[in-house]
Amino acid sequence: DTEVTQTPKHLVMGMTNKKSLKCEQHMGHRAMYWYKQKAKKPPELMFVYSYEKLSINESVPSRFSPECPNSSLLNLHLHALQPEDSALYLCASSQDREGNQPQHFGDGTRLSIL
Amino acid sequence: AQKITQTQPGMFVQEKEAVTLDCTYDTSDPSYGLFWYKQPSSGEMIFLIYQGSYDQQNATEGRYSLNFQKARKSANLVISASQLGDSAMYFCAIKDLNQAGTALIFGKGTTLSVSS
Repeated sequence: DTEVTQTPKHLVMGMTNKKSLKCEQHMGHRAMYWYKQKAKKPPELMFVYSYEKLSINESVPSRFSPECPNSSLLNLHLHALQPEDSALYLCASSQDREGNQPQHFGDGTRLSIL
Repeated sequence: AQKITQTQPGMFVQEKEAVTLDCTYDTSDPSYGLFWYKQPSSGEMIFLIYQGSYDQQNATEGRYSLNFQKARKSANLVISASQLGDSAMYFCAIKDLNQAGTALIFGKGTTLSVSS
């Protein structure tokens, strides 16, 4: 079992739906991340939060909207997604944004857009 | 810019044998960290081992060891006594330790298949 919990594990949604992915960690980490991963490819960084503030947005389309309500929670709000957005979405956390501490990942949410 | 190259798309090994997964990197930063992650088919990314650019000794964690050759810019992962549960995708990643906000840069990964 990972120490980063993501829900739901699977999500199927239409292109007009609004849904949210959730991520929670209780390790006291102050940096949290969202990655998108297509099959047999490496993860691609989407967003980085440091001390609950957005510090990196890797030119992600506005149909993806991150939110960090507190230091333990990270959400990714989805709206009007496209079929090419179907992927595994991974959340990760680390002690802080700098330094050599590894990122710890959740199990991911497998998202399918119809 | 930093870059990770993993040249082996797939590797095959028998149980109990050792296997080396290759990773070369490119960076102009003097202070960096190298990470290896394992990703089974279930999806979670599992941190395996870390090597810092200034570390004098090669990192080891149980059956995992990192063959760090700084002059060659390589950081190969060695798995000793392979087990069926080692079958997974393995990613090498690099991170600049000097600059705030820099992210992990992943290689394309190597798929390891362990047979009995």
